[in-house]
Amino acid sequence: DIVMTQSPDSLAVSLGERATINCKSSQSVLYSSSNKNYLAWYQQKPGQPPKVLINWASTRESGVPDRFSGSGSGTDFTLTISSLQAEDVAVYYCEQYYTAPYTFGQGTKLEIK
Amino acid sequence: EVQLVESGGGLVQPGGSLRLSCAVSGFTFSSYWVHWVRQAPGKGLVWVARISNDARTTTYADSVKGRFTISRDNAKNTLYLQMNSLRVEDTAVYFCTRASGYFDLWGRGTLVTVSA
Repeated sequence: DIVMTQSPDSLAVSLGERATINCKSSQSVLYSSSNKNYLAWYQQKPGQPPKVLINWASTRESGVPDRFSGSGSGTDFTLTISSLQAEDVAVYYCEQYYTAPYTFGQGTKLEIK
Repeated sequence: EVQLVESGGGLVQPGGSLRLSCAVSGFTFSSYWVHWVRQAPGKGLVWVARISNDARTTTYADSVKGRFTISRDNAKNTLYLQMNSLRVEDTAVYFCTRASGYFDLWGRGTLVTVSA
């Protein structure tokens, strides 16, 4: 199984400041024939289902604010929120869909400092 | 409206069974692979099972293999999860989710509690 490891486990950032969450996979999730990374980022607020923010490692889902961006390739990925807003308080998960069993990172809890 | 709505959760004793349903609307259900993902209280997301759009392919997490069965009825736009030999550690909110590679649409989940 591919193990997904996020860092940090929790993060406190001031409003308007940048938040960065890292995700590392135990093996590459880059599919060479398509040159696509099978990596997504989700946001989950309390009592709600997850919501996809980023797919294919760096493609913002329709309707997601442009302060959210994803980067990385192979085994190392980053989710960046360029200017934190109050509504961004949530738990964030990375997930690989390269191969079953699909696996998620343990989650990063983002709070306001 | 595009949505998935889970039902069938509840309290069950260890060793018991439960059948979850996920009713789909607003999109062509038969065109998509669909999955179950669960989340124990206060914990992270764990993938459980998937089924192909034509129901010919199913895959399970090792933790549920041999106990859970995923199925679908494309005529009824409904996904199912039959859960047998339930264990305390199966306690979780169970989400159904549509896959476009990644999970692009989620239901709100149904809570399954396994307790004596």
